[in-house]
Amino acid sequence: VMTQSPATLSVSPGEGVTLSCRASQSVNNRLAWYQQRPGQVPRLLIYDASTRATGIPDRFSGRGSGTEFTLTISSLQSEDFAVYYCQQYNNWPPYSFGQGTKLEIK
Amino acid sequence: QLQLQESGSGLVKPSQTLSLTCAVSGGSISMSGYSWNWVRQAPGKGLEWIGQIYHVGNTNYNPSLASRVTISVDRSRNQFSLKLTSVTAADTAVYYCARDAGYLDLWGRGTLVSVSS
Repeated sequence: VMTQSPATLSVSPGEGVTLSCRASQSVNNRLAWYQQRPGQVPRLLIYDASTRATGIPDRFSGRGSGTEFTLTISSLQSEDFAVYYCQQYNNWPPYSFGQGTKLEIK
Repeated sequence: QLQLQESGSGLVKPSQTLSLTCAVSGGSISMSGYSWNWVRQAPGKGLEWIGQIYHVGNTNYNPSLASRVTISVDRSRNQFSLKLTSVTAADTAVYYCARDAGYLDLWGRGTLVSVSS
């Protein structure tokens, strides 16, 4: 089971933010982060816990291993206000997603 | 550039079978190192992994859906398909197909399937 916290985060543009994802058992570093803007398709941001996917700006960074992971966005842009999901791919099937963290404009 | 496109019925009656196809263009479904997945998202909810298939036909399913799900591949048409039987209103969702290298790096645009009489 993947647990994300908090469920909602209110942040001002330009600020930095850190989102958390916790696994109920170790997933090693096999953890991905996705961004889903309203009405859009999920987009891969980070895989293997800390590797940015192609075309992802370096203001996005991922850290962690085992059961504790974080996604940090260093300076929020307007397009970053979205829902973020973590997903583990170490203990499968099934792949499991967190319930999501919604970043909203303060 | 590889692209995925879902197609199928957008409205299914309760107890009937949901059928969707994902067409892969710009590359071969037989490329090594990938599986082909279905993920769904109920309205206002999070993402739920349904299952996956490799080009040789091996499949894995979410245990919560396994009794009702079949994923198949048609290499000649470069596409893979989802069948979900005995649907209820709880199966109403946007259904996405996605390429998988462990993580889901390429997604289709999604298709909304509503279950209603």
